[in-house]
Amino acid sequence: QQQVKQSPQSLIVQKGGIPIINCAYENTAFDYFPWYQQFPGKGPALLIAIRPDVSEKKEGRFTISFNKSAKQFSLHIMDSQPGDSATYFCAATANTGNQFYFGTGTSLTVIP
Amino acid sequence: NAGVTQTPKFQVLKTGQSMTLQCAQDMNHEYMSWYRQDPGMGLRLIHYSVGAGITDQGEVPNGYNVSRSTTEDFPLRLLSAAPSQTSVYFCASSYVPEGGEQYFGPGTRLTVT
Repeated sequence: QQQVKQSPQSLIVQKGGIPIINCAYENTAFDYFPWYQQFPGKGPALLIAIRPDVSEKKEGRFTISFNKSAKQFSLHIMDSQPGDSATYFCAATANTGNQFYFGTGTSLTVIP
Repeated sequence: NAGVTQTPKFQVLKTGQSMTLQCAQDMNHEYMSWYRQDPGMGLRLIHYSVGAGITDQGEVPNGYNVSRSTTEDFPLRLLSAAPSQTSVYFCASSYVPEGGEQYFGPGTRLTVT
């Protein structure tokens, strides 16, 4: 059973567009929600993370929106660039456990 | 700092063979973990360790063994390789599992024929 559900599976946007990737979870014990970016042939790297005590977090062009009541969170990439073309994973973990649960990933292509 | 290193980068095994994937980190992280990445499945946790001498199972532990004799090293052993274990394997480490940034290694691409 997938602990974190991620959509869409793939996304194509024009340069300057705002791709949005969505994730949903059921376990209310989750309290840390990171997003990872992965380029082909590389390991994932932390992009941005949020805790449930805030509804939004921005770092540069990347924003996480968090809806605690709906148990959903999403990644927005402002002014997307071809260099943002990568696979993005959401994840979740709880301070009562030692396991990270990842979504299935979204392959983003930004067309020049 | 080399960060998280993994060897080998590529490996081909025949069904039934055994091998060890190596993982090392030089950041003095207590928490280390192994994931496998398969198309459409994301990253799934195989085993993890919260410190030397302590290991535990993740979501998909069957067919894999781990041990943690030092803080730096966390090898993953395939006891009897099966085609279903064809995957890309990532090792990761962090100071703490919760709230801590996980640093991933470059991965090992394993093919079992």
